[in-house]
Amino acid sequence: SQQGEEDPQALSIQEGENATMNCSYKTSINNLQWYRQNSGRGLVHLILIRSNEREKHSGRLRVTLDTSKKSSSLLITASRAADTASYFCATGLDSNYQLIWGAGTKLIIKP
Amino acid sequence: EAGVAQSPRYKIIEKRQSVAFWCNPISGHATLYWYQQILGQGPKLLIQFQNNGVVDDSQLPKDRFSAERLKGVDSTLKIQPAKLEDSAVYLCASSLGPETGELFFGEGSRLTVL
Repeated sequence: SQQGEEDPQALSIQEGENATMNCSYKTSINNLQWYRQNSGRGLVHLILIRSNEREKHSGRLRVTLDTSKKSSSLLITASRAADTASYFCATGLDSNYQLIWGAGTKLIIKP
Repeated sequence: EAGVAQSPRYKIIEKRQSVAFWCNPISGHATLYWYQQILGQGPKLLIQFQNNGVVDDSQLPKDRFSAERLKGVDSTLKIQPAKLEDSAVYLCASSLGPETGELFFGEGSRLTVL
């Protein structure tokens, strides 16, 4: 079953702009992770935020987590053409660490 | 550090034929996952191993899919007989353990069933 739902399904922006993607989930989690997948490639881990954290940064990435609203957002600042990819959120369940995946947001950065 | 290795990268077969995919995880990673990813969708867990034992295979279609992880290192996923709807990318991932969070993925094996 897929409990993570990314929003929007697709996003197209100009290079240099910021991109924001959202993820909502349904049950109690231990952690939430974001992954990137370039076309035809495997997934690459970007960032993990634990349920007791509210915000985390990694380079141009900023992730927030609101457990009261059961939602997270991924912000990519100063986007580059190389950021064109699909982005997936995955929630680690509190009970058994099982990872539940969303359907992803397809991000296109126009040069 | 070597990443997760998968082979073959691409495979085309006729329906009702069989196919096998191989995965070698990162050295020392106890947990190994096989995912199925249909175009435009997120990964769907097929089976999760902890060392050489199965932790979760609830979404594995056991009438046609089988997987093993002998000696707790590399793993093989087999489909027999294949159906048209099995066309997908089969992703292998590994982690130090389920509680550590981060998964490391291979490049995937793209299967086309004609």
